[in-house]
Amino acid sequence: ETGVTQTPRHLVMGMTNKKSLKCEQHLGHNAMYWYKQSAKKPLELMFVYNFKEQTENNSVPSRFSPECPNSSHLFLHLHTLQPEDSALYLCASSPWAGGGDNEQFFGPGTRLTVL
Amino acid sequence: KQEVTQIPAALSVPEGENLVLNCSFTDSAIYNLQWFRQDPGKGLTSLLLIQSSQREQTSGRLNASLDKSSGRSTLYIAASQPGDSATYLCAVSGSGGSNYKLTFGKGTLLTVNP
Repeated sequence: ETGVTQTPRHLVMGMTNKKSLKCEQHLGHNAMYWYKQSAKKPLELMFVYNFKEQTENNSVPSRFSPECPNSSHLFLHLHTLQPEDSALYLCASSPWAGGGDNEQFFGPGTRLTVL
Repeated sequence: KQEVTQIPAALSVPEGENLVLNCSFTDSAIYNLQWFRQDPGKGLTSLLLIQSSQREQTSGRLNASLDKSSGRSTLYIAASQPGDSATYLCAVSGSGGSNYKLTFGKGTLLTVNP
């Protein structure tokens, strides 16, 4: 266990559905991240939150909407997704983002399938 | 733009063998380098983190080296076991205020046969 949990672990949704992914970290960290892992491609950083403020949006389509209500919780709201959005979505946390100790700890991921 | 390459893409070895996984990166201005392990359909487990000022790190049967100037790192696994079977990912972080940005390679899929 890394101290980062994600729910649900598996999600199947239609293109018109609205769903949310949840991430929670119990490490006392102040930075949280969303990554996308597609088959045959390297992990791609999607969003970064540092002390609840979004500091990075890596040109992610607006059908993905992140939310960080506090330093321990991170959500990814999904709406009108496409089949090519099917992937493993990983959450990570680190002490903070921007200097010093940047070691990231990853959750188990949510396997998303868009039909 | 930083690019990370891992060679080989897949490796199959008999149990007990020592092996080396390779990672190369195009921009030597990194803050640190991490090696991760990923089991099928699972998240990432951090194995070793090497700061840019360091040359190597060791943990048990694992030893990672870093040659920052040449843009290369190796992960050495001694006396491999079937439980070592997984995908091994290398990631480098940007320098300065961007050290939270990790650039990953595609990974090496390791299979250790009993």
